Amino acid sequence: DTGVSQDPRHKITKRGQNVTFRCDPISEHNRLYWYRQTLGQGPEFLTYFQNEAQLEKSRLLSDRFSAERPKGSFSTLEIQRTEQGDSAMYLCASSLGAPPRKQYFGPGTRLTVT
Amino acid sequence: AQTVTQSQPEMSVQEAETVTLSCTYDTSESDYYLFWYKQPPSRQMILVIRQEAYKQQNATENRFSVNFQKAAKSFSLKISDSQLGDAAMYFCAYVPNSGGGADGLTFGKGTHLIIQP
Repeated sequence: DTGVSQDPRHKITKRGQNVTFRCDPISEHNRLYWYRQTLGQGPEFLTYFQNEAQLEKSRLLSDRFSAERPKGSFSTLEIQRTEQGDSAMYLCASSLGAPPRKQYFGPGTRLTVT
Repeated sequence: AQTVTQSQPEMSVQEAETVTLSCTYDTSESDYYLFWYKQPPSRQMILVIRQEAYKQQNATENRFSVNFQKAAKSFSLKISDSQLGDAAMYFCAYVPNSGGGADGLTFGKGTHLIIQP
């Protein structure tokens, strides 16, 4: 069990650019989640996958955001035409899905939009 | 929509003392899970303790225990014998066990716990 990994750990981009983040879950976990955390706030749920199927999307996931998990293993989160309001920590988590429903988090990708 | 409220932005406790962090939540579901997560300054979230709503017995994990009051929709975390390594942001989180596919955690805003040596 190597834990959830995320890449890159930090990303600085200019407004209007596209960015893509990657998340590698714990290998036997079939569910993968994306959250966004702004400074001083708790994480906010964005979306989750069970295997390659995207089962839930929150209202926070605007049409500039797209997430994929093509082979049911790693996932990517792309933000198109970044805005300064997108600056946040993007957290990935994974779980077995069944009870006890524990989600294990990665270290996050900190995005700064200038 | 479910909400989770942590009314204490910051708490301070002397090393070796006991501290209780508060959490209340609002839901119309009867079956759900509640969690406390710890986020140290390095920022990686760590699961501290978990409670299943249909279990009346309060969960305990070593120095960490919860007081789960389902009717009051309250879920507090007690840390006994506080240690310097307990200093972190603590988040309360909720997820329904509805079987309807909803599986994203709803988090509170967090409580910053300071341990005084």
